[in-house]
Amino acid sequence: NAGVTQTPKFQVLKTGQSMTLQCAQDMNHEYMSWYRQDPGMGLRLIHYSVGAGITDQGEVPNGYNVSRSTTEDFPLRLLSAAPSQTSVYFCASSYSRPSDYEQYFGPGTRLTVT
Amino acid sequence: GDSVTQMEGPVTLSEEAFLTINCTYTATGYPSLFWYVQYPGEGLQLLLKATKADDKGSNKGFEATYRKETTSFHLEKGSVQVSDSAVYFCALTHNNAGNMLTFGGGTRLMVKP
Repeated sequence: NAGVTQTPKFQVLKTGQSMTLQCAQDMNHEYMSWYRQDPGMGLRLIHYSVGAGITDQGEVPNGYNVSRSTTEDFPLRLLSAAPSQTSVYFCASSYSRPSDYEQYFGPGTRLTVT
Repeated sequence: GDSVTQMEGPVTLSEEAFLTINCTYTATGYPSLFWYVQYPGEGLQLLLKATKADDKGSNKGFEATYRKETTSFHLEKGSVQVSDSAVYFCALTHNNAGNMLTFGGGTRLMVKP
């Protein structure tokens, strides 16, 4: 099992550029989510999905889009990057909702927007 | 809204010292409470959890008790090791559906030999 994988590990974007952060899991988990981690603020939920074809907003969804066409993949799209989106992004997955099941986190993507 | 407050770090201890990392929360209803740990360069891992008042979660020598009367979930370990050096996050479920986790700001622990 590879667990939760994320690509790329590092990325530098210019303001206004777009990109997609990739996330994949091979554990047949129904629940997947995206967080951003900023110093002193912990992790904040961006979007989550309870299964293929179903997504919902988290705490800080503005500027980000997601889709879930398969159980395995949950990409995060930045349509027009802004410096405020400089952060470390983590993808996580679990069998079901986080209140009942451990979330497994990927290694993260460090994004810098200049 | 729901929130989690942790003591600010870094916390620096010598090996074999006693550890306490404070965590308090504000939430409606009866949240589940968690401690996650992040080792350098890695993603977060679940350390322990408690789902109702007076429950004690434990793992790898770490313990935390769900105290509803003081809305707290403090993390403790009797004797820390250098390998415990990491960032520790307290978290709770965000709503009754249990689909969203709210994290505290994290506390960095540094253990010196």
